Amino acid sequence: AQSVTQLGSHVSVSEGALVLLRCNYSSSVPPYLFWYVQYPNQGLQLLLKYTSAATLVKGINDFEAEFKKSETSFHLTKPSAHMSDAAEYFCAVSEGYQKVTFGTGTKLQVIP
Amino acid sequence: DAGVIQSPRHEVTEMGQEVTLRCKPISGHDYLFWYRQTMMRGLELLIYFNNNVPIDDSGMPEDRFSAKMPNASFSTLKIQPSEPRDSAVYFCASILSTEKGAFFGQGTRLTVV
Repeated sequence: AQSVTQLGSHVSVSEGALVLLRCNYSSSVPPYLFWYVQYPNQGLQLLLKYTSAATLVKGINDFEAEFKKSETSFHLTKPSAHMSDAAEYFCAVSEGYQKVTFGTGTKLQVIP
Repeated sequence: DAGVIQSPRHEVTEMGQEVTLRCKPISGHDYLFWYRQTMMRGLELLIYFNNNVPIDDSGMPEDRFSAKMPNASFSTLKIQPSEPRDSAVYFCASILSTEKGAFFGQGTRLTVV
């Protein structure tokens, strides 16, 4: 069965610092992997996705994630945090039959 | 495209009342999902449809919950009777294909008092 684990329900970084949000997945087949962002009182927006092409995936707003099969990880990074990045981030996995399983989310706080 | 449209955005109702949440998916998307988000349980998949047919409703918590998709452009999630523990944000999402990712509506915040 597919599942994701997000390490750290809350992460705080200083403005301009590196953002690293961790996600590990479990899947019985090569998965599709996603990161979504949710701003307050909004729905989830797709940030980036891995679909078995390049292992380093670039998304919107300078976010990127690297698929590491050996580590079953798909961590999200951004070189320099901006105040507008404060939001909740969800990692998600799908084994390709449309059903998507979401992680529990990580709230990112950016400190000025 | 206007994206996934949900209505109402906010709903406050009394315990025991019937509640109907509505969703209009993106045109051309064959899959529609209903999720519930709470602080305690995070984002839970309730049910999803493919070409208007329910495929997996194993996430529907109780018989009080029901969902329909009478056509490709409209779906409802009904709770009857509602209870305070149903208070949550309910999201609808639609997908063209898995690899393209899901598009979410802005959600309906339901409060049952």
